[in-house]
Amino acid sequence: EAGVAQSPRYKIIEKRQSVAFWCNPISGHATLYWYQQILGQGPKLLIQFQNNGVVDDSQLPKDRFSAERLKGVDSTLKIQPAKLEDSAVYLCASSLGGRAFFGQGTRLTVV
Amino acid sequence: ILNVEQSPQSLHVQEGDSTNFTCSFPSSNFYALHWYRWETAKSPEALFVMTLNGDEKKKGRISATLNTKEGYSYLYIKGSQPEDSATYLCASEYTGGFKTIFGAGTRLFVKA
Repeated sequence: EAGVAQSPRYKIIEKRQSVAFWCNPISGHATLYWYQQILGQGPKLLIQFQNNGVVDDSQLPKDRFSAERLKGVDSTLKIQPAKLEDSAVYLCASSLGGRAFFGQGTRLTVV
Repeated sequence: ILNVEQSPQSLHVQEGDSTNFTCSFPSSNFYALHWYRWETAKSPEALFVMTLNGDEKKKGRISATLNTKEGYSYLYIKGSQPEDSATYLCASEYTGGFKTIFGAGTRLFVKA
C-alpha cells in the first residue's frame, strides 16, 4: 500500500518569502491533517479536512497560512510571508476514520 | 465541537521511573482510541488501537487501558528509558462520518 507522500522533504527560505508544501494522501482516505511541530514543542494541528471541507482550522494562523484540498484528494499548505518562527516540521496525515497514516514531513528552515 | 484532552502537557522523569498519561475524550458515538508515539524528526508511530470498554493492550514496557463509559484512556510506561522520550498522541475515532480527533499530545522527557 502506498503511503502518504509529502514534498519537498526539506526547504530553506528567507523570511518574508513564500513557500508551499504538498501532500498526497493514501487513496480513498477522506480525512487529511496538517500538523506543525516546532523543535522543542509539542505538535500542533493546523487544519483538518474531511474530503474537501475544513473540519477544524482553529489553530491555523490565517493571516499568513492557507491550505486547500482540491477535489478532496491532494492538499497544499502555503505560508505567505514566512517568519523565522515558522521553522518547523510540517507533517501531513490521512485516515479513513481509524488509524492515521503519516507522511515523512517537510522540514522548513526560515533564515 | 469534539475535543480530546491529554494530560499532562509535558513530563520529565528519571531513567527507570514508571509513568502514565491520560487521554480524555467524549464518549458519545465513540468507536476507537488510538495511541501514537512521535519522536522528533520522525513520523508518528502507531502504538495501539482499542475499541472495547476495559480493553488493555501491551507492547514491551508500554501498555494502555480504555474506559469508554467515562471517556478516558491511560498510557503506562514501565521503567522509562531515554529512548522513550517522545510526544505521545492519542486520537479518538467516532462513528458517523469517519471522524477522528487528535489530542495535543504529552511530551515525555526521560533523563539518563
